[in-house]
Amino acid sequence: ILNVEQSPQSLHVQEGDSTNFTCSFPSSNFYALHWYRWETAKSPEALFVMTLNGDEKKKGRISATLNTKEGYSYLYIKGSQPEDSATYLCAFKGDSSYKLIFGSGTRLLVRP
Amino acid sequence: KAGVTQTPRYLIKTRGQQVTLSCSPISGHRSVSWYQQTPGQGLQFLFEYFSETQRNKGNFPGRFSGRQFSNSRSEMNVSTLELGDSALYLCASSLSHSNYGYTFGSGTRLTVV
Repeated sequence: ILNVEQSPQSLHVQEGDSTNFTCSFPSSNFYALHWYRWETAKSPEALFVMTLNGDEKKKGRISATLNTKEGYSYLYIKGSQPEDSATYLCAFKGDSSYKLIFGSGTRLLVRP
Repeated sequence: KAGVTQTPRYLIKTRGQQVTLSCSPISGHRSVSWYQQTPGQGLQFLFEYFSETQRNKGNFPGRFSGRQFSNSRSEMNVSTLELGDSALYLCASSLSHSNYGYTFGSGTRLTVV
């Protein structure tokens, strides 16, 4: 059974703080690692799709890194804002699969 | 362009009934996936369709089925509903299974009473 773990489960930070979360996934048969942001009452929104070991992607104040050999990815948010409050999901795709296996997510709350 | 459209948004059914949920993907997207989210659980994969073919199925009982039409619209059906089927059902579409992020619909909230 393939397992995708995310930590922490939840995080409360002050506006302006920088923060990061971890996603752990199987290091074998890797194809891609996705990150999504899911705001309350909205649909999950794709942030990054990462495929190569050592990949680093950036979108505004949010960036992500990927280590496929050891099976982890970090998501960083620099200078958190209240609008960053959401659940951040990572999802693993294996190389012989057409499905995404999601972690349980990290719920981020940014206090003004 | 229009996003992924799921209908209905909310549904209340009684145990033993069956239900059909619909998903219209983004124009040009041929891959459609379905996920279930229950309280305390992450998104659980149900199935994925590409060009009317089911390419992958999750670990759900046979009461859960789906199909995809030639216009890429997809439906999922749950027969003999159980209380535990109460969940948010999300559909997602993508260009292919490879390097593209998925675009999710707003979901159908199913309540079984």
